[in-house]
Amino acid sequence: EAGVTQFPSHSVIEKGQTVTLRCDPISGHDNLYWYRRVMGKEIKFLLHFVKESKQDESGMPNNRFLAERTGGTYSTLKVQPAELEDSGVYFCASSRLDRGRHEQYFGPGTRLTVT
Amino acid sequence: GNSVTQMEGPVTLSEEAFLTINCTYTATGYPSLFWYVQYPGEGLQLLLKATKADDKGSNKGFEATYRKETTSFHLEKGSVQVSDSAVYFCALLTQGGSEKLVFGKGTKLTVNP
Repeated sequence: EAGVTQFPSHSVIEKGQTVTLRCDPISGHDNLYWYRRVMGKEIKFLLHFVKESKQDESGMPNNRFLAERTGGTYSTLKVQPAELEDSGVYFCASSRLDRGRHEQYFGPGTRLTVT
Repeated sequence: GNSVTQMEGPVTLSEEAFLTINCTYTATGYPSLFWYVQYPGEGLQLLLKATKADDKGSNKGFEATYRKETTSFHLEKGSVQVSDSAVYFCALLTQGGSEKLVFGKGTKLTVNP
């Protein structure tokens, strides 16, 4: 079974530009999460999809961030326009829908550098 | 609110030394607790978990016991190897509504031969 994949692995952009990160969850996983780790700090929750619906987007930092999951499969996270403080590693995770299974499986992350 | 506090590193040990990484939490109710590990150049992997008080999670020689009375979930290994060098994250899973992970800051472990 393929794991969670993320693309790109690393992105370097200038302040003011736009970047789109992609996450492909494990097949059959209806829960999809985005997390972010800013340098030296905790990994923090951004948002949670159940299938194509946003279940919880309380962690999204501001309206420069837009996440979508059309069709309930892969998800994209767009940052527009990017700011310096957006630099960090963005992780995607997925899990099964049944609440008894708590394990979230993480992708390798996308390292975003805004210069 | 929910929070996780873990021992900040970096931690440097010699091979075969005993490892403890402390983790305490604050939460509403009784959340599930996890240790995740990130090896160099890789993503986060679940190392072990415990879903209720007094449960012991174990994997690859690592252990952690869910202690409700001390709200702790300390990670231990009796004899570390060079291959255990990684960043370790303690986390809890929030309850009710959206189940999301709340992480500690991570502890970087380096094991020298």
